[in-house]
Amino acid sequence: DGGITQSPKYLFRKEGQNVTLSCEQNLNHDAMYWYRQDPGQGLRLIYYSQIVNDFQKGDIAEGYSVSREKKESFPLTVTSAQKNPTAFYLCASSLIGRSPLHFGNGTRLTVT
Amino acid sequence: AQTVTQSQPEMSVQEAETVTLSCTYDTSESDYYLFWYKQPPSRQMILVIRQEAYKQQNATENRFSVNFQKAAKSFSLKISDSQLGDAAMYFCAYRSVIGGSEKLVFGKGTKLTVNP
Repeated sequence: DGGITQSPKYLFRKEGQNVTLSCEQNLNHDAMYWYRQDPGQGLRLIYYSQIVNDFQKGDIAEGYSVSREKKESFPLTVTSAQKNPTAFYLCASSLIGRSPLHFGNGTRLTVT
Repeated sequence: AQTVTQSQPEMSVQEAETVTLSCTYDTSESDYYLFWYKQPPSRQMILVIRQEAYKQQNATENRFSVNFQKAAKSFSLKISDSQLGDAAMYFCAYRSVIGGSEKLVFGKGTKLTVNP
């Protein structure tokens, strides 16, 4: 079945460590997105990419980095510069244009 | 930049009754898409319904329908015959169709409780 896979479901890290969240899709979608979800804040866009080897900052990109070396993969690195990294992270993908976003099941990151 | 506002942080409805969730948005574009997503306790984001701005007819998906008022920039979701499984967070979202600006902008959500 086609879909978006995020791994792991739960991730725990110590403060000061970088951590990478995985996102893979087999829907043949060109565009991929990373959103952060905090209680009462809705979903806020971190980064997005519409084509391999290209990506744009979203509204809250500081402290995060991404790469898009393959169409299927869009990993997100949460760096030690991110002041409040504990959150729920959602990856999504879509066709370019008028289609909705399809979401993965999310990764809950806890940094202590 | 586009913004999406959901003015009701929480709503409740009795099972089998009807409830309407509000959403307003701000944009200077004439062509765009609007969506409602549902997020149950599992936290999976599920597409409920979509509306194309250039279509005057309101979208309908089974028990879910929208009231799209383009001039007022309003996009409310009506859930008829509410079921216990409808209990979730509901997010309104806006998507531009201008090339390079096709990210989805979300409201902060409305938590819907369905009472038996």
